[in-house]
Amino acid sequence: NAGVMQNPRHLVRRRGQEARLRCSPMKGHSHVYWYRQLPEEGLKFMVYLQKENIIDESGMPKERFSAEFPKEGPSILRIQQVVRGDSAAYFCASSRGQGGMNTEAFFGQGTRLTVV
Amino acid sequence: KNEVEQSPQNLTAQEGEFITINCSYSVGISALHWLQQHPGGGIVSLFMLSSGKKKHGRLIATINIQEKHSSLHITASHPRDSAVYICAVYGGGADGLTFGKGTHLIIQP
Repeated sequence: NAGVMQNPRHLVRRRGQEARLRCSPMKGHSHVYWYRQLPEEGLKFMVYLQKENIIDESGMPKERFSAEFPKEGPSILRIQQVVRGDSAAYFCASSRGQGGMNTEAFFGQGTRLTVV
Repeated sequence: KNEVEQSPQNLTAQEGEFITINCSYSVGISALHWLQQHPGGGIVSLFMLSSGKKKHGRLIATINIQEKHSSLHITASHPRDSAVYICAVYGGGADGLTFGKGTHLIIQP
């Protein structure tokens, strides 16, 4: 049973380009959370999704950031017109559902985005 | 909004020592997670607690709900335990985990 898969592991983008980060949750998990870890800072919640639904996006920047979790395929975190301040590690976690984070959270390896 | 404080921020110890990392939070929660992160690496879930105590190998995690406090202990520490240990709490809502800043642990041989 593969764990949470994130790709790419490393992503370099020039300012103004778009970044697409992918997360495939563990088999049987229908709940996905995205977190961001800025350099020298702790992890921060961004968005919580279930299949085809955004449940809570209170941690997402209001502009340029969007997330989806389609019926088929991975969850996607999309950052348009990236800026240097978007450079960070982005982690995805999945859970079995219903209990939210009252159940064990399984994290991916993260995508390290560098904006040059 | 929950405030999660970890102590110490940094800890260097000798191989074999007993290690304790503390976590306190400000608002009642429904679950607390202890996570491990190696440099440049992913995040591994060590424990999820809602009450009492859990043990896995050389790791022990305890939580006191009334005092809003949790501890992570490592017995017979080893250099491979060197990592950042992160405490994270869940309030039961839809907004995921709130994290502490982490404890940087170095175990010297």
